[in-house]
Amino acid sequence: AQSVTQLDSHVSVSEGTPVLLRCNYSSSYSPSLFWYVQHPNKGLQLLLKYTSAATLVKGINGFEAEFKKSETSFHLTKPSAHMSDAAEYFCVVSESGGGSQGNLIFGKGTKLSVKP
Amino acid sequence: ETGVTQSPTHLIKTRGQQVTLRCSSQSGHNTVSWYQQALGQGPQFIFQYYREEENGRGNFPPRFSGLQFPNYSSELNVNALELDDSALYLCASSLDGFYSYNEQFFGPGTRLTVL
Repeated sequence: AQSVTQLDSHVSVSEGTPVLLRCNYSSSYSPSLFWYVQHPNKGLQLLLKYTSAATLVKGINGFEAEFKKSETSFHLTKPSAHMSDAAEYFCVVSESGGGSQGNLIFGKGTKLSVKP
Repeated sequence: ETGVTQSPTHLIKTRGQQVTLRCSSQSGHNTVSWYQQALGQGPQFIFQYYREEENGRGNFPPRFSGLQFPNYSSELNVNALELDDSALYLCASSLDGFYSYNEQFFGPGTRLTVL
């Protein structure tokens, strides 16, 4: 069975400092991994996705994530936080095969706060 | 290109009632997935429709049902509403969504409150 664990429910950083949001996954098959962002009263937006190509994935707004199979991790990073990055972030796993139909399995979310 | 739209935006119902939520998929997409997001939680998969057929279902009771129409828009129906059904309901459309690597595009959601 596939699952996702986001290791921090809340992360607070100062503007201009690095961001690290941690995610571990469990999957029986070759997974696709995603990070989505949800701003208040707005829909979910895809930041980036890993689909078995390059292990270092670059996304929108300066975010990137590294797929580490040996550690079953897919942590999200950004070198310098901006006030507009304050939002809820979801790590997501999806797999084809084994009866799954490409449905997304979400973590519980990490709320990112950015202090001026 | 029109994105995913959902209606209504907000809805208040009482226990035992029935509700229908609607979703218009993005142009060119043939798959719609529905998710339930309880307050403070990540979205949970309800079911997926591909070309008008149910193509996968999460751990939700049969009183959650759906439809997909020939234009690939979709409805989510919930019968015998319970207080725990209060949540944000999200619709996502995609092309051939059963492939795990295909991006799902989300609508803004419908906020359902059950009193």
